[in-house]
Amino acid sequence: GAVVSQHPSRVICKSGTSVKIECRSLDFQATTMFWYRQFPKQSLMLMATSNEGSKATYEQGVEKDKFLINHASLTLSTLTVTSAHPEDSSFYICSAREQGADTEAFFGQGTRLTVV
Amino acid sequence: SQQGEEDPQALSIQEGENATMNCSYKTSINNLQWYRQNSGRGLVHLILIRSNEREKHSGRLRVTLDTSKKSSSLLITASRAADTASYFCAPLGGAQKLVFGQGTRLTINP
Repeated sequence: GAVVSQHPSRVICKSGTSVKIECRSLDFQATTMFWYRQFPKQSLMLMATSNEGSKATYEQGVEKDKFLINHASLTLSTLTVTSAHPEDSSFYICSAREQGADTEAFFGQGTRLTVV
Repeated sequence: SQQGEEDPQALSIQEGENATMNCSYKTSINNLQWYRQNSGRGLVHLILIRSNEREKHSGRLRVTLDTSKKSSSLLITASRAADTASYFCAPLGGAQKLVFGQGTRLTINP
């Protein structure tokens, strides 16, 4: 099956710094990528939908200036957590789908972010 | 977009037994997808069933869909310890976004 690679898998950063997470589709072109956040023992919360070549669409309550999303190519989307704070510590997961409504999504391995 | 609601929230069974989990949703769909998540990992796609299908099989997995009741079920037969995970359904309608409910936490006891 298709592979989505997410990097890094774990990152620890200091409060006030920014962290970039990459999501790559390795063997298909992903017109759309999605970014999720997951707290322990909870479900995935959709943060934003990333469309190649255009601005991301953020879900209600998600700060776009806090979570910067760039989808510069059909195989790469990045999520930058700016001025990170301890409450931003979470598990972030990306997913990608090929064009078309009737397709499954492929997920990255997730990134465990810890802000100290 | 809509999310599915999985039931039960948690399920614990003995290895070798069958596990059944259910999903309900509220509006019309194009397809419904089931995913598995092992602890601390991303989701893995299991099976996709289209709105005009009633049942689908994949290995030890059997998925049913009842669009009149807006519900789906996932059956895992002859469960194994490796099946221990959280399972999520994702009903997909006109919107392209996959939104997830709380999932079913399945524990297979040896």
